[in-house]
Amino acid sequence: QSVLTQPPSVSAAPGQKVTISCSGSSSNIGNNYVSWYQQLPGTAPKLLIYENNKRPSGIPDRFSGSKSGTSATLGITGLQTGDEADYYCGTWDSSLSAGRVFGGGTKLTVL
Amino acid sequence: QVQLVQSGAEVKKPGASVKVSCKASGYTFTSYYMHWVRQAPGQGLEWMGIINPSGGSTSYAQKFQGRVTMTRDTSTSTVYMELSSLRSEDTAVYYCARDRVLLSQIRIAVPYYWGQGTLVTVSS
Repeated sequence: QSVLTQPPSVSAAPGQKVTISCSGSSSNIGNNYVSWYQQLPGTAPKLLIYENNKRPSGIPDRFSGSKSGTSATLGITGLQTGDEADYYCGTWDSSLSAGRVFGGGTKLTVL
Repeated sequence: QVQLVQSGAEVKKPGASVKVSCKASGYTFTSYYMHWVRQAPGQGLEWMGIINPSGGSTSYAQKFQGRVTMTRDTSTSTVYMELSSLRSEDTAVYYCARDRVLLSQIRIAVPYYWGQGTLVTVSS
């Protein structure tokens, strides 16, 4: 059971927009930066978003991040079949068991 | 370019220990945190801890406290993750991942460059 809650799956058609939510608490998302990762089958995760809404070099602006209170959202526009992957949110948890935590992951299917 | 090359797959018996290595190149080894993250088959990502390669200080996830040890060898730019008292639930791919920015507060450290992963299988 993950500290951060994500929907198990989302789907949308090519060219459409999709959002993936990540829900936490004041000890994690509420007071720390959120990052997002894409993991294609059989590969290591790839950082898409850091510090809530910043993109590393090379990440297209089709990917966006936002945060409000204890929740965060990843948005993907202009969906492509190559976007079909697992997506994970992550942040620092400042509770007694302090450490970095991840959501359970969301499987994106591009129909 | 930044490269992280991990050691090969391991098969261990329950109760044994495993030590995974991660050799870094393409940047100043002592200037960036290194994270360890694992992923059980078909499951999500699980953060295990972080090491500061400069001084060797570490911070472990509570779940692994007492079972995990992260070390580094600055002469070879290699970090190590040793997990003891292995059980079947430890079967997973173990990743090392370099942080995005120069050493700063651990709470804003973000895994950025990832190794290829090392499969550790625990089976009797």
